[in-house]
Amino acid sequence: QSALTQPPSVSGSPGQSVTISCTGTSSDVGSYNRVSWYQQPPGTAPKLMIYEVSNRPSGVPDRFSGSKSGNTASLTISGLQAEDEADYYCSLYTSSSTWVFGGGTKLTVL
Amino acid sequence: EVQLVESGGGLVKPGGSLRLSCAASGFTFSSYSMNWVRQAPGKGLEWVSSISSSSSYIYYADSVKGRFTISRDNAKNSLYLQMNSLRAEDTAVYYCARLVVAATSYYFDYWGQGTLVTVSS
Repeated sequence: QSALTQPPSVSGSPGQSVTISCTGTSSDVGSYNRVSWYQQPPGTAPKLMIYEVSNRPSGVPDRFSGSKSGNTASLTISGLQAEDEADYYCSLYTSSSTWVFGGGTKLTVL
Repeated sequence: EVQLVESGGGLVKPGGSLRLSCAASGFTFSSYSMNWVRQAPGKGLEWVSSISSSSSYIYYADSVKGRFTISRDNAKNSLYLQMNSLRAEDTAVYYCARLVVAATSYYFDYWGQGTLVTVSS
């Protein structure tokens, strides 16, 4: 199973923007748009934030956006708020009908 | 309202067995593929297993293949995970998650609150 690489941590001040990257290979992230992003505040279950690279489910603020360039998918959070502090995970549905998650990125709002 | 409620976690000795359950409500359970995802203490998410709506397609992570068995009972709106030959590294919170499959979209849109499995002597 392929691995997705995320930075361990990112930080930003309220009102700023941050971007979390998720790097795979030309065989997975680079070939398919099956990337989704999940937010997990401490002690809670994951919550879907972005699906199919850049689609936002209803109820997710438009401050959250997703994109992809080559083998790297990205989650951008603009207008940072204290409530955005959480762990964020990217995920990919593979061609083998299995799933792989990135290692997770801890977002700290300063 | 979609609800997924896991149960069955607990403390088990290495080599032991445990059966997790996930009770679903608020949606047509028989129309969705379901998954188990786990998270070891202080670690990231790890996909464990997937089962299609009619149980026709089942997949496992290499780390649990041959030891874990996923199943479902659509009449009871329930998902299960039978875990055998448990190891210390299986210690984790186990989440059940609903999978959405639509055209080219694949994602987990609802998650349960999780149940903790601790494997220790």
